[in-house]
Amino acid sequence: KAGVTQTPRYLIKTRGQQVTLSCSPISGHRSVSWYQQTPGQGLQFLFEYFSETQRNKGNFPGRFSGRQFSNSRSEMNVSTLELGDSALYLCASSLGTSGTNEQYFGPGTRLTVT
Amino acid sequence: AQSVTQPDIHITVSEGASLELRCNYSYGATPYLFWYVQSPGQGLQLLLKYFSGDTLVQGIKGFEAEFKRSQSSFNLRKPSVHWSDAAEYFCAVGNTDKLIFGTGTRLQVFP
Repeated sequence: KAGVTQTPRYLIKTRGQQVTLSCSPISGHRSVSWYQQTPGQGLQFLFEYFSETQRNKGNFPGRFSGRQFSNSRSEMNVSTLELGDSALYLCASSLGTSGTNEQYFGPGTRLTVT
Repeated sequence: AQSVTQPDIHITVSEGASLELRCNYSYGATPYLFWYVQSPGQGLQLLLKYFSGDTLVQGIKGFEAEFKRSQSSFNLRKPSVHWSDAAEYFCAVGNTDKLIFGTGTRLQVFP
């Protein structure tokens, strides 16, 4: 069974631009969660989608958004990039909701904002 | 509100030594508790999970964790550490609403 894949793996953007990251979950998984990982803040929850509906959202500004498609694939978008958005963005999928089920993580997308 | 604390930012042990990583949580009811491991350049992998039942949980790679309700703790242990265990370890607490991760403990293993 293929694991969680994230594209692209590395990305360099300029401040003010926008970016879209993609996540393909494990087949059959309906929940996709996104996390931002930085050395200073650790792992912070961005949002979770379950069957195309946003179940929960972390404490991030509205510049961060996401969506989930009918095949469970998910994208997250960050508009008007800031230097502080430089981070590793991790996607995780699970059969059920993230808080009570094992999550399978992708390798992440390393975003650098210059 | 639920929260999780990992008091040790960095731990160094010798290969073959025993290991205990601490995790304390705050939650009104019995939460779902997880330990994940992240090797350099990779995503996280689940080591073990607890919700109910036997308070001593066995996981992969020879790890175990013990749930102690009275101390609100869920410490991770391994009797003999291998060099390949060097990684970052995250404790997490969850419920039907969301999952919250601790700040992580970086484990360094010396030969």
